[in-house]
Amino acid sequence: GQNIDQPTEMTATEGAIVQINCTYQTSGFNGLFWYQQHAGEAPTFLSYNVLDGLEEKGRFSSFLSRSKGYSYLLLKELQMKDSASYLCAVYSGAGSYQLTFGKGTKLSVIP
Amino acid sequence: DAMVIQNPRYQVTQFGKPVTLSCSQTLNHNVMYWYQQKSSQAPKLLFHYYDKDFNNEADTPDNFQSRRPNTSFCFLDIRSPGLGDAAMYLCATSGGDAVEAFFGQGTRLTVV
Repeated sequence: GQNIDQPTEMTATEGAIVQINCTYQTSGFNGLFWYQQHAGEAPTFLSYNVLDGLEEKGRFSSFLSRSKGYSYLLLKELQMKDSASYLCAVYSGAGSYQLTFGKGTKLSVIP
Repeated sequence: DAMVIQNPRYQVTQFGKPVTLSCSQTLNHNVMYWYQQKSSQAPKLLFHYYDKDFNNEADTPDNFQSRRPNTSFCFLDIRSPGLGDAAMYLCATSGGDAVEAFFGQGTRLTVV
């Protein structure tokens, strides 16, 4: 089975840094995605990690530790528009192609 | 230009009346997904295809079925919609040089 856990909600201040954690226990692993989803809209891709370590992309960074079944998304210099849900998703990969999402973390950025 | 297109954006159907949602893609991706997303919840995988190979999630209700007649199109059929099936239905594709899944704008289904 697939089990992906994230905090339900987080609040952070504009200009600050926030870290959103994700832990997973899945049958098969071929990468972990982070998606951003604004209310009423489709998810949009933020990052993909398949090897251990940190991937940086502008204000967003994502980290993966496969041995610990753990990832985090780091958002720097928070802006009001970053208020959204952040979804962690695990990809089972070739042979399965199953892409399973966690319940998402609703981030509220306050002034 | 939209690459994954879902029609309609909003669908209202009567309790028990069959309804079909459609998805088309211009990306020529092998993999297509259907997700159900209820308010404030994560997308729940219903089905996925690799080409014509069909994968049904174990907890997807029998009331839901899917068809993929060709690479570009995929359909979600709800045979007898109940009030609990009201949700956003998201279609996504992946394949080619991109690892990420690309989502359509979704169809919001209301059951009355």
